[in-house]
Amino acid sequence: GQNIDQPTEMTATEGAIVQINCTYQTSGFNGLFWYQQHAGEAPTFLSYNVLDGLEEKGRFSSFLSRSKGYSYLLLKELQMKDSASYLCAVNPLDSNYQLIWGAGTKLIIKP
Amino acid sequence: NAGVMQNPRHLVRRRGQEARLRCSPMKGHSHVYWYRQLPEEGLKFMVYLQKENIIDESGMPKERFSAEFPKEGPSILRIQQVVRGDSAAYFCASSPSTSGNTIYFGEGSWLTVV
Repeated sequence: GQNIDQPTEMTATEGAIVQINCTYQTSGFNGLFWYQQHAGEAPTFLSYNVLDGLEEKGRFSSFLSRSKGYSYLLLKELQMKDSASYLCAVNPLDSNYQLIWGAGTKLIIKP
Repeated sequence: NAGVMQNPRHLVRRRGQEARLRCSPMKGHSHVYWYRQLPEEGLKFMVYLQKENIIDESGMPKERFSAEFPKEGPSILRIQQVVRGDSAAYFCASSPSTSGNTIYFGEGSWLTVV
């Protein structure tokens, strides 16, 4: 089976750095996605990791370790607008179109 | 290039009525996916369609729910005889292919059953 775990909620301070973890138990997958979702809005794509390692994209970076079944999303120089839910999803090997989603981590940014 | 368009954005239905949600994929995209998101939960896959074909409906309840993507016009998710538990956000997404491509989401349709 496949299971994706993320912390339910995190709080961080404006200007700081926060790391949102995602652990998964799956027999294998093509890649791992991170999406951002503001309340009442659609998810928007942040990153897609296929290979192990860190992918940096501006203030956001995503890391994947297949051997450890672990990914994280790193947000730097936090801004108030970063308050949102962050969803981790995997694209399983046996389905090249389905995404299996975590429940998301609600990130609250305080001034 | 318009994004994925969904309508209505908000829909209120009484128990027992029908809800019909529409989705026009992004231009050039021939793959459409429907997801449901219950309050405080992650997205759950419902159905994957290509033009005139349902490829995978394994995530869709067997009763009352149906989906289509006709040759002409938008994809439609239809919920018959709605119940309170159907209240959720329904997101449509599209992609140009299925090979690890990013999928793009519409703004969602919020269904409230009263």
